[in-house]
Amino acid sequence: GALVYQYPRRTICKSGTSMRMECQAVGFQATSVAWYRQSPQKTFELIALSTVNSAIKYEQNFTQEKFPISHPNLSFSSMTVLNAYLEDRGLYLCGARASTSSNERLFFGHGTKLSVL
Amino acid sequence: GQQVQQSPTSLVLQEGENAELQCNFSTSLNSMQWFYQRPGGSLVSVFYNPSGTKQSGRLTSTTVIKERRSSLHISSSQITDSGTYLCAMVTGGSNAKLTFGKGTKLSVKS
Repeated sequence: GALVYQYPRRTICKSGTSMRMECQAVGFQATSVAWYRQSPQKTFELIALSTVNSAIKYEQNFTQEKFPISHPNLSFSSMTVLNAYLEDRGLYLCGARASTSSNERLFFGHGTKLSVL
Repeated sequence: GQQVQQSPTSLVLQEGENAELQCNFSTSLNSMQWFYQRPGGSLVSVFYNPSGTKQSGRLTSTTVIKERRSSLHISSSQITDSGTYLCAMVTGGSNAKLTFGKGTKLSVKS
């Protein structure tokens, strides 16, 4: 079956430092990867959509300078949170879409919970 | 305005009771997904439901795309069902994206 592994599951970083999270698709080819964030007491917001061999599209309020994303092949994507501060706390989620899928289902990892001290 | 509206916001049940969660969408959508978020935070996809009714164990999802609504029915609730249930609409064609609702927080008590 199709699975998405996301790691680390939890991480703590000091204010002003950066942390990288990774997303691995298993059992399918991920042509599109979407990164989301759930801030405390809020719902999930889309950060950016990444498609292999295309420019990454960031949503309003999110930038490449703050959340650089790499999507080098059909099984892997990573996102870094640069200069993390308290407002960057939350659960970060990656969702991957299979290239052979005839519908638009996204398969999700369990998320990376980021705490900032 | 909010594109995905969920109701109720929260729900408290006695073990064994049934629950009906609603999701309404303000715009046209291709499909939708239901998710369960554990109290610890991790997210699990429960149903991907373009249209019609799907069942998995005690969970049943019914989606009527043209009416822009979906429901999630939980029968014979258990304490382990506690958590937040989120629905999300799928839009965007080849670069499908999800827009999430704010969730229904379910507490099941003994």
